[in-house]
Amino acid sequence: EAQVTQNPRYLITVTGKKLTVTCSQNMNHEYMSWYRQDPGLGLRQIYYSMNVEVTDKGDVPEGYKVSRKEKRNFPLILESPSPNQTSLYFCASSLGTPLSSYNEQFFGPGTRLTVL
Amino acid sequence: RKEVEQDPGPFNVPEGATVAFNCTYSNSASQSFFWYRQDCRKEPKLLMSVYSSGNEDGRFTAQLNRASQYISLLIRDSKLSDSATYLCVVNQASGGYNKLIFGAGTRLAVHP
Repeated sequence: EAQVTQNPRYLITVTGKKLTVTCSQNMNHEYMSWYRQDPGLGLRQIYYSMNVEVTDKGDVPEGYKVSRKEKRNFPLILESPSPNQTSLYFCASSLGTPLSSYNEQFFGPGTRLTVL
Repeated sequence: RKEVEQDPGPFNVPEGATVAFNCTYSNSASQSFFWYRQDCRKEPKLLMSVYSSGNEDGRFTAQLNRASQYISLLIRDSKLSDSATYLCVVNQASGGYNKLIFGAGTRLAVHP
């Protein structure tokens, strides 16, 4: 089944404790992206990757890191989480830059992160 | 001003009703437009693209008004299963790169 998976789905942690949220897709997509979703705000892009070893900042990259060593995986790293990073996080992938329905963006199920 | 603005709702409608959502965008150079659907606590999924001439997919009709910079989604004969949040999504060129800007969503609740 074609899908984007994320782990963990739920995480409660404390300020400053490094964590990684994994994202994996099995559709051989080149483009991958991380978003966060907060109440009253649209999804905001954190980082994106257009291919292996090619990553770039989105709109809200502060406090986050990513890597793209393999095409299928795009982990999100919070080196020192803070309470303002409490949010719902989505990973997404598409064949190319998602500007048409041909390059439809598929989202993972989401990771709900709480930083105390 | 937000780059993509939507009425948050909720729109509470009975089954069978016709409901319309509007969305406005700020960047006149935007070229691609979409409606996504997001069920409660789930991931967004592409509902339909929006084309300049307007387009229909079953009970759903999307229209684009470039002059006024707004997009609409019309749902006819609402079903209980249409209850969800509908996200308006617009592309924006920034620094040579095109990215998607998501509205905060309009919530629809269809009741029996």
